[in-house]
Amino acid sequence: KQEVTQIPAALSVPEGENLVLNCSFTDSAIYNLQWFRQDPGKGLTSLLLIQSSQREQTSGRLNASLDKSSGRSTLYIAASQPGDSATYLCAVTTGANSKLTFGKGITLSVRP
Amino acid sequence: NAGVTQTPKFRILKIGQSMTLQCTQDMNHNYMYWYRQDPGMGLKLIYYSVGAGITDKGEVPNGYNVSRSTTEDFPLRLELAAPSQTSVYFCASSSQGTNYGYTFGSGTRLTVV
Repeated sequence: KQEVTQIPAALSVPEGENLVLNCSFTDSAIYNLQWFRQDPGKGLTSLLLIQSSQREQTSGRLNASLDKSSGRSTLYIAASQPGDSATYLCAVTTGANSKLTFGKGITLSVRP
Repeated sequence: NAGVTQTPKFRILKIGQSMTLQCTQDMNHNYMYWYRQDPGMGLKLIYYSVGAGITDKGEVPNGYNVSRSTTEDFPLRLELAAPSQTSVYFCASSSQGTNYGYTFGSGTRLTVV
């Protein structure tokens, strides 16, 4: 059974800091990995999708990497801003029906 | 383009009552999913569908039922509400195949008292 772990559960950093959020998964036979953002009381917004054949994806100040063989992904946020404060969830697709398995998320707080 | 629309946004149910959570998508996606999110527990898959007329159980299906009569709609039915079903429910869709990401609805916050 696939398990996705995100540690730590919460993180507080000063504005401007570059930071890395980690995600690990137990079964390396994934089709893809996605990073989502969730604001309090809101739904999930897809940030980046990395196919199993890819090593990384970039969107603006965000860069996600994937090391499938070791079961790890990182989300790099450059020059963090208070508006980046949210919960970041990592999820992997295992199986042809594209079912996602989620981590519990990392709640990020960026202090002005 | 509305994406994935969920109704209602909030609902309070009494124990034993029934209700249907509605989900509609306008992207012609074949795959649709229902997840529940409990505090600190991440999202867990309840049911999913790979096309009209086809549904299957996810990780936590007990107490729920679904149907998929059209590509657009994927309602989730709670027959006998229990306090354990207090949660936030998210509907999502994706295009066929694993090259595509998910689009999520904004969620339904359900409280059973």
